[in-house]
Amino acid sequence: QKEVEQNSGPLSVPEGAIASLNCTYSDRGSQSFFWYRQYSGKSPELIMFIYSNGDKEDGRFTAQLNKASQYVSLLIRDSQPSDSATYLCAVKGDSSYKLIFGSGTRLLVRP
Amino acid sequence: GAGVSQSPRYKVAKRGQDVALRCDPISGHVSLFWYQQALGQGPEFLTYFQNEAQLDKSGLPSDRFFAERPEGSVSTLKIQRTQQEDSAVYLCASSLSSQETQYFGPGTRLLVL
Repeated sequence: QKEVEQNSGPLSVPEGAIASLNCTYSDRGSQSFFWYRQYSGKSPELIMFIYSNGDKEDGRFTAQLNKASQYVSLLIRDSQPSDSATYLCAVKGDSSYKLIFGSGTRLLVRP
Repeated sequence: GAGVSQSPRYKVAKRGQDVALRCDPISGHVSLFWYQQALGQGPEFLTYFQNEAQLDKSGLPSDRFFAERPEGSVSTLKIQRTQQEDSAVYLCASSLSSQETQYFGPGTRLLVL
């Protein structure tokens, strides 16, 4: 079992819809959770991070964390074609420095 | 300010050739990381520097991989006797400290023929 699991997709949503991206992790000691966006051929770009259980909102993006279920998600409201990319979930343990990434979910927003 | 830069952006090597990949972190960033990203996968940790000290090299796949950061700034990842399975994108990231956000460079795409 991989440490960080994501559905590879593609997840296809129409423009203006809510896209929901999910991630599960195996290490209960994980403390920090990150969502990176990666366009094809480009490097990962940090979208959001979350440390505490619950929701964290930033513009059209909401990260949700449930440590009891070892589950983190990213909601993208009012999806735009420019949101089409691969979304990488990453976790860090307490006092850890290395990011453990999932394989990413490819999101396709249809105009 | 300038972000993380990497060179070369693309490298084609013949099997058995040695390659050197360079990373220029964001100025003032103490922590530097190398990751390897295979096609269709997420980045995988290779090694971590704090200033010039290599504190973790547990992710380096074999002793053919070597990384250094002699003056605590620029880092070089060297791969000796390249093999086809080394073909991947090599990403460098830097952060102010080990706990801060990691910012990624554009990567070096290595293709070993």
